[in-house]
Amino acid sequence: DIQMTQSPSTLSASVGDRVTIACRASQSISGWLAWYQQKPGKAPQLLIYQASSLESGVPSRFSGTGSGTEFTLTISSLQPDDFATYYCQQYNSFCTFGQGTKLEIK
Amino acid sequence: QVQLQESGPGLVTPLQTLSLTCTVSGGSISSGGYYWSWIRQHPGKGLEWIGYIYYSGSTYYNPSLKSRVAISLDTSKSQFSLKLSSVTAADTAVYYCARGDTDSSPLPFFDYWGQGTLVTVSS
Repeated sequence: DIQMTQSPSTLSASVGDRVTIACRASQSISGWLAWYQQKPGKAPQLLIYQASSLESGVPSRFSGTGSGTEFTLTISSLQPDDFATYYCQQYNSFCTFGQGTKLEIK
Repeated sequence: QVQLQESGPGLVTPLQTLSLTCTVSGGSISSGGYYWSWIRQHPGKGLEWIGYIYYSGSTYYNPSLKSRVAISLDTSKSQFSLKLSSVTAADTAVYYCARGDTDSSPLPFFDYWGQGTLVTVSS
């Protein structure tokens, strides 16, 4: 099984900050990685697929990079609506999610 | 716009079978190479993939749940279903149905989700 590890688990930041969330795979997943945003009581929403492709309708302040085992999600300038929990998901070998990163207001 | 909606009992007795249905609207469940998926989230925890069924009917399950899971497709009703047998309190979770899209990949990411339904396992 492929394990996905996100860091940090919790991130405190302010509106306007640039933030980066990391996701590491236990073995190479090529570029088959997606990122999701989840707000309390809501279903996850797809942000990024294939490591760096922005889903339609997602603001351009979200971006993703990486390949192999190391990936990052960057939010270039945090907006109030961005405070949420973020998950990565590998789909190279079935499906595994990271444990999540909670982005909190500082 | 594709929409998914879960339905089923919110309370299941231990050792019984959990049964949920997802109704898809705004798109055909039998076309386009999509994977129709179930994902769950234990209270306050992360996401766990349960399994998916390809539009052709092929099924793929999480190895940790495989012995207890069955996913089926009813194209006439635009629905797909989840059955999880021999449930325990550890199966208490919010259950989501989702559409898996592949773009150019061999396996899917999830672009449309239902709102989720809480299933509690308790006597």
